[in-house]
Amino acid sequence: GENVEQHPSTLSVQEGDSAVIKCTYSDSASNYFPWYKQELGKRPQLIIDIRSNVGEKKDQRIAVTLNKTAKHFSLHITETQPEDSAVYFCAASMASGTYKYIFGTGTRLKVLA
Amino acid sequence: EPEVTQTPSHQVTQMGQEVILRCVPISNHLYFYWYRQILGQKVEFLVSFYNNEISEKSEIFDDQFSVERPDGSNFTLKIRSTKLEDSAMYFCASKSKGGGEKLFFGSGTQLSVL
Repeated sequence: GENVEQHPSTLSVQEGDSAVIKCTYSDSASNYFPWYKQELGKRPQLIIDIRSNVGEKKDQRIAVTLNKTAKHFSLHITETQPEDSAVYFCAASMASGTYKYIFGTGTRLKVLA
Repeated sequence: EPEVTQTPSHQVTQMGQEVILRCVPISNHLYFYWYRQILGQKVEFLVSFYNNEISEKSEIFDDQFSVERPDGSNFTLKIRSTKLEDSAMYFCASKSKGGGEKLFFGSGTQLSVL
């Protein structure tokens, strides 16, 4: 069935360092890949997304890369700040049908000041 | 920015009781979803709803669950006879028809079954 694997489950970095979170999806028909940030007790918030016709997308300190052949996509956060501390979820979706998301298992990022 | 709203934020119920979780999707959205997140685990798809009917449901969404759009604004999830393992955060989400693939999530209802 559809599945999204996400690693690592926890990640601690020093403030100013970079953080990388990786996801692998199983359904080759997936063509939309959002990343969500979830702070404690709050709703998931979309921070960046990428479509399958693009290999990389950047928004300030956040970038996402996609390797369709390997069915991998990654989130890169540069110059991390304490407020980046949260749980990050990747997801995979098809841009048709029900548009449902299949989420990864989450990565708890801690940025140490 | 418009938001999906969910009520209540917390719901405590006894095992075997029925609960209804309520959601008000963004007004011009046409696709509606329920997801759940058991503490410390990933967000899991439950059901999608479009054109006044369920378009897809997961294995989790068994006969104890039902969804309804009783009027033009609300979208509800009913759990008929709650079990301990139904304890989770339940998120509602919605999507517009022409707005790409982005889902907008509500702030969630934390359901505790005792």
